[in-house]
Amino acid sequence: DTAVSQTPKYLVTQMGNDKSIKCEQNLGHDTMYWYKQDSKKFLKIMFSYNNKELIINETVPNRFSPKSPDKAHLNLHINSLELGDSAVYFCASSQAPSNQPQHFGDGTRLSIL
Amino acid sequence: AQTVTQSQPEMSVQEAETVTLSCTYDTSESDYYLFWYKQPPSRQMILVIRQEAYKQQNATENRFSVNFQKAAKSFSLKISDSQLGDAAMYFCAYRSALSWETSYDKVIFGPGTSLSVIP
Repeated sequence: DTAVSQTPKYLVTQMGNDKSIKCEQNLGHDTMYWYKQDSKKFLKIMFSYNNKELIINETVPNRFSPKSPDKAHLNLHINSLELGDSAVYFCASSQAPSNQPQHFGDGTRLSIL
Repeated sequence: AQTVTQSQPEMSVQEAETVTLSCTYDTSESDYYLFWYKQPPSRQMILVIRQEAYKQQNATENRFSVNFQKAAKSFSLKISDSQLGDAAMYFCAYRSALSWETSYDKVIFGPGTSLSVIP
């Protein structure tokens, strides 16, 4: 009974393609996030959703479109993939109050050929 | 804007010894939360320890403890009796206490410290 699950774990595709990463949490949390971890392991927030509503959009190219059909799911769709999109993408969730930690999925390694 | 700095990109420690990883942050807020996360080669992000800024007492979790110096904006992690399984990337993270207002809900991560444990 994984708390935050993302699929797929690995994604290898060609430049220009469109791909999606799915995320689901069964913790009952109100807030979900997408992070990008680059090759130097730096973690940067991309999006934050609270109760299906977009809260944070950190200057991410509009080729990236998050979608939250309900508060347990937050999917990430990426159009026209570029070489620079190669990274590990993490989904996370948390609940207020904010002394609660974020729970992370296992990450999706996206490789662009 | 808040920032988190980890000045040691890499550290190493002998098995069974003690190591301290440093973290400093910059904020104008008085209330916030700090976390240390561990990322082993398996890629999972695992919470190690957390500290509320309003608490003076340093948090402790088994072999892991922190030295929280609020005035100095410092939040170091001490690992005692290091084990091979402690080898990982360690990330320091900051979260505003204003996060109950969801528009402020942003966790800022430091660049990480890669810890090696020598048998």
